[in-house]
Amino acid sequence: ETGVTQSPTHLIKTRGQQVTLRCSSQSGHNTVSWYQQALGQGPQFIFQYYREEENGRGNFPPRFSGLQFPNYSSELNVNALELDDSALYLCASSRVLRSDTGELFFGEGSRLTVL
Amino acid sequence: QQQVKQSPQSLIVQKGGISIINCAYENTAFDYFPWYQQFPGKGPALLIAIRPDVSEKKEGRFTISFNKSAKQFSLHIMDSQPGDSATYFCAASDSNYGQNFVFGPGTRLSVLP
Repeated sequence: ETGVTQSPTHLIKTRGQQVTLRCSSQSGHNTVSWYQQALGQGPQFIFQYYREEENGRGNFPPRFSGLQFPNYSSELNVNALELDDSALYLCASSRVLRSDTGELFFGEGSRLTVL
Repeated sequence: QQQVKQSPQSLIVQKGGISIINCAYENTAFDYFPWYQQFPGKGPALLIAIRPDVSEKKEGRFTISFNKSAKQFSLHIMDSQPGDSATYFCAASDSNYGQNFVFGPGTRLSVLP
């Protein structure tokens, strides 16, 4: 069973540009979550998808959007990039929606730098 | 009310010693409290977790102590090893809202050989 894989691992963008980050969940995982981890901070919840529908969102503006596909892959899109968007973006997946009944597996993240 | 506070920010322990990390929360709807371990360049990995119906959970060298009335919980690492050197995050969730975790700011643990 493969783990959660993310691409690209590193990327540099300039302010105002758009970025798409990709994630491949573990097979059979119907829940995917995205987190933003600023340097030296804990991960912060962006949103989660359950069976291809957004099912919960953190305190992030609408320029952060996502998709979940039937093949367990997922995307995080960020429009109109700002300097504060520079962070490690973590994708995580689980077999179940409830947090207390299924482990959340994280990928190694995509490091985004906005200049 | 959504915050999870964590201390200390960094911790240095000798090999064989006990590492203790403390967390506190405000939201009484939280009902699941995991601890994650993160090595440099890696994503967080679940270490151990507890529900509020028990006061302590032990797995190997790792123990969570939970005080529901004080809204505090802590991680104890017994016989700390250099391989335990990593950043540790406490987290909390209301399980009715899926895999939506609130993480603490992290504790960087260094275990000296």
